[in-house]
Amino acid sequence: QKEVEQNSGPLSVPEGAIASLNCTYSDRGSQSFFWYRQYSGKSPELIMFIYSNGDKEDGRFTAQLNKASQYVSLLIRDSQPSDSATYLCAPWGGGSTLGRLYFGRGTQLTVWP
Amino acid sequence: NAGVTQTPKFRILKIGQSMTLQCTQDMNHNYMYWYRQDPGMGLKLIYYSVGAGITDKGEVPNGYNVSRSTTEDFPLRLELAAPSQTSVYFCASSSRDRIYEQYFGPGTRLTVT
Repeated sequence: QKEVEQNSGPLSVPEGAIASLNCTYSDRGSQSFFWYRQYSGKSPELIMFIYSNGDKEDGRFTAQLNKASQYVSLLIRDSQPSDSATYLCAPWGGGSTLGRLYFGRGTQLTVWP
Repeated sequence: NAGVTQTPKFRILKIGQSMTLQCTQDMNHNYMYWYRQDPGMGLKLIYYSVGAGITDKGEVPNGYNVSRSTTEDFPLRLELAAPSQTSVYFCASSSRDRIYEQYFGPGTRLTVT
């Protein structure tokens, strides 16, 4: 059973603050990690992925990965009300699980003006 | 380019009834997936397909069946509906080159009473 744990929300931050979303995973075979954003009542969409240890930056988003600790995070700088959504962490492993993502429960983020 | 389309958007079933959820994609993607999402939970994989004629079980396949006769279509069949199948169902697809980048349909909200 592949476990994906995300920090329990909801997470509430003021506009302009940094939002920190965390995720731990149980499968050491996971090679890549994906963050999906899901607005209320909508379908998920891919916003970031990372496959090497360290940081990866894309605009206001930074993904951080530490495979030794089996930990991945997503930082959102200068948070905006439009960032209010649920963020789903999804590790991906190759081999027998090729093509399959395992999603966490998600962390609900609210950014208030 | 419509992407991934799903029908119906909403459906109410009585216990014991059957129905088929339709999913079509126009991106020529090899991979297709069916997920269910219960309130406050992540996405659970029901079935997936790596190409026409090839399907495999995901994490929660019981009570469902699928077929993949064409690249475009991946219908999900519910036999003998039960209240535990009340959920939002998402169909997704991805290309062979970017398997992890799954494009989701708008979802079908199903209630079984």
